[in-house]
Amino acid sequence: DAGVIQSPRHEVTEMGQEVTLRCKPISGHDYLFWYRQTMMRGLELLIYFNNNVPIDDSGMPEDRFSAKMPNASFSTLKIQPSEPRDSAVYFCASTKQQGQGGNTIYFGEGSWLTVV
Amino acid sequence: AQSVTQLGSHVSVSEGALVLLRCNYSSSVPPYLFWYVQYPNQGLQLLLKYTTGATLVKGINGFEAEFKKSETSFHLTKPSAHMSDAAEYFCAVSDQAGGSYIPTFGRGTSLIVHP
Repeated sequence: DAGVIQSPRHEVTEMGQEVTLRCKPISGHDYLFWYRQTMMRGLELLIYFNNNVPIDDSGMPEDRFSAKMPNASFSTLKIQPSEPRDSAVYFCASTKQQGQGGNTIYFGEGSWLTVV
Repeated sequence: AQSVTQLGSHVSVSEGALVLLRCNYSSSVPPYLFWYVQYPNQGLQLLLKYTTGATLVKGINGFEAEFKKSETSFHLTKPSAHMSDAAEYFCAVSDQAGGSYIPTFGRGTSLIVHP
């Protein structure tokens, strides 16, 4: 079974440009997560979806960030306009809620974003 | 509310030496506990997890962890380090508080293995 697929793997963009990161979760998974990883702040949960519905976006840093999940097999994280401090690795992850918890979260390989 | 503390952002060992990565958690209800590993330029992947039952959990690549409720700990160990174990290790906890099983991750511990 294919894992979580993210694109692009690497992106370098200029400050002020729009950035769109894409994610295809594992088929059959009902939860999707977007994380950001930086040296300074570690791994941060930005937003997560359950059955395509955003449940908690309290981790989204500001209005420049938005995320959508139009269907069960696709999600986007958009930054508009981008700033140098947005440079980070962005991970998409998914899981299937089963039983009483303890579900494994499956991570993509990440999108490495550099804003210059 | 759940939280995780990983003691030591970096741990350095010699090849063949014991690996010990510390994790303490805070949870108001019985927790689910995880260790994930992140190799360079990759995403996180599950190393092992505790849900219920036996408190000593064995994972991949010879790693194991023991759930100690009295100490609220879930330390990760490996008897003999290998160069390929060099990676970032994340402890995570989840519980049913608030009706959600969304895990909270620690800040991570970078394992450095010297030849």
